[in-house]
Amino acid sequence: DVKVTQSSRYLVKRTGEKVFLECVQDMDHENMFWYRQDPGLGLRLIYFSYDVKMKEKGDIPEGYSVSREKKERFSLILESASTNQTSMYLCASSPHRDRGRGAFFGQGTRLTVV
Amino acid sequence: AQKVTQAQTEISVVEKEDVTLDCVYETRDTTYYLFWYKQPPSGELVFLIRRNSFDEQNEISGRYSWNFQKSTSSFNFTITASQVVDSAVYFCALLGGTYKYIFGTGTRLKVLA
Repeated sequence: DVKVTQSSRYLVKRTGEKVFLECVQDMDHENMFWYRQDPGLGLRLIYFSYDVKMKEKGDIPEGYSVSREKKERFSLILESASTNQTSMYLCASSPHRDRGRGAFFGQGTRLTVV
Repeated sequence: AQKVTQAQTEISVVEKEDVTLDCVYETRDTTYYLFWYKQPPSGELVFLIRRNSFDEQNEISGRYSWNFQKSTSSFNFTITASQVVDSAVYFCALLGGTYKYIFGTGTRLKVLA
């Protein structure tokens, strides 16, 4: 059973804290994504990685950074958490070839910044 | 520019009614893929179906069916005889010439018993 696993389902952090969201996939996919989901706005791409150590900014990268040191792991970092980063965060992976297979998603991390 | 529009924010139906979720897309790519995902209350997006731009055949899977029409840039999703377990947020997505998926804003479906 293929899997994308996010390290936490729920997270509460204080304003100004450095926050790490971890994502691991076991499908040997080259592409990995971090999305943010907010009511009425759908899924917005924060960052995208197409290979180890390679990354590309999505539509809303401000306030975030990412790290991909190993193929299976993609981390999202909030350098200094703010209340407007309270949201649902979704990690996904997809293969380079057979693009039509689609993206596979983790269970999501609901982050609250207080 | 690539865009996916799901104009229906929320739909409520009574159990056993049929319901259609609309999806309209924009792309200049000649080769692209369209997807539908279901997000139940648990949060994980579950893949339902994909279509490539060269395959306009409609598809039926149990109570689910999909109507892809390139002429109107639409990829609509119909649930026949809806059930309470169908209650979820449904997303339509587009994958064009890059590796980035473009999602619509989602349609929340509520099926009432």
